Formats: sequence, C-alpha cells, structure tokens
Amino acid sequence: GQSLEQPSEVTAVEGAIVQINCTYQTSGFYGLSWYQQHDGGAPTFLSYNALDGLEETGRFSSFLSRSDSYGYLLLQELQMKDSASYFCAVRPITGGGNKLTFGTGTQLKVEL
Amino acid sequence: KAGVTQTPRYLIKTRGQQVTLSCSPISGHRSVSWYQQTPGQGLQFLFEYFSETQRNKGNFPGRFSGRQFSNSRSEMNVSTLELGDSALYLCASSLVGLAGSSANYGYTFGSGTRLTVV
Repeated sequence: GQSLEQPSEVTAVEGAIVQINCTYQTSGFYGLSWYQQHDGGAPTFLSYNALDGLEETGRFSSFLSRSDSYGYLLLQELQMKDSASYFCAVRPITGGGNKLTFGTGTQLKVEL
Repeated sequence: KAGVTQTPRYLIKTRGQQVTLSCSPISGHRSVSWYQQTPGQGLQFLFEYFSETQRNKGNFPGRFSGRQFSNSRSEMNVSTLELGDSALYLCASSLVGLAGSSANYGYTFGSGTRLTVV
C-alpha cells in the first residue's frame, strides 16, 4: 500500500521561502503531485514530478527523490494568499486507473 | 471552460437516511473520482468511474456506492447514514490515465458537498 507523511503545520513570514516535505512508503507510483486547498475550497493542482529532480512553476518548485522516498514543495516569495493546506499525492502503479493516494496534509500559515 | 460542478453544496441529513450527491465533470473528461475529506482521516479515495464502469474502489463499506452516466456525469449514494459520514465529499475529473503511463493526469476538483449527519 501507500502512506505519505507530511508535517501537520508550517508557519512562515511573508516574503520568505518555505519547504513542505513529503516522505512516503509506497510499493510504486507513476509520479508525485502537489495540491493546494484553501479553507472550504476545492484542492487545486500545483505541480507534478514524474522523474527525480526539480520542477519549477513560477514561485512554486517541487522535488522528488525516489531513492530517498522523499519529495518536497518549495514556495518562494511567500504571500498571504499562500496560507492554505498543501497535499502531496501519488498515483499507484498497481490497480490502474486514476486513483490518487494523498498525504496527510500540511497547513501553511503565512504571517506578516 | 466550465469547471467541475457538484450539487448540492451543503446538505444536512438525519442518521439512517440516505443521500445522493451529483457531479458534472469538465467537458471531455471521462474519468470521475470521488473522495471523502475529514479532519481526522484526510482525503480518502472512494471510487473512480470511467465509461460508466467502476475502475477502482477504496476501503469504504458497501453503503457507499456510485454510478456514472453516458454523459460522464456521476452520482454517489450513501445509504443508512451514520454520524461518522459527516464530511466534505469531493468529486474530481481528469483525462483518462493510460496504464503504464507516467504522464500527469492531474485532477480538477469540484468545490465539494458538505454533508452533515445529525
């Protein structure tokens, strides 16, 4: 099966850089995704790593190391609107289809 | 283009009742998945439908069921509601994930249905 662990809460100041980690135990997956969810809202897709290494999308970057069973989301130039929950997720190889297994989620609080 | 539409947005039901939630995916998306989100358990996969067939099912009791129509719209049903079924139910649509492909088939989620069981 799959389990993905994230810190429950991270706090940072506006303008700073923050890293949200995702460590996993999984039997195999196609890639690691990241989603953002504001309170009461829909999760929205942020980034995807199919291969090891860094993917950059504007202020957001995501990293994957399959050998270390580890990934992270890096948010730069933090803004107040970045306060939200962030989830890592994998699509398992076994079972097929579009099932995603989500991490435990990290609540990011951005302060002035 | 229109996003994923879920109805109703909020729902209050009594224990023992049943409920049906609806999801209209993005046009052209044929895969529809359902998730339950609670503070204690996080986002948990319920099931996925593609071409009116259930492709995957999560670890939920048989009280949770779903179906997909020929226009890709999907419904999920929960019978004999329990207090623990109170949650945000999210629907997500995506392009079809091809077996063996590592391409990104990112979900587009709806805003969810907030179900409260009293």
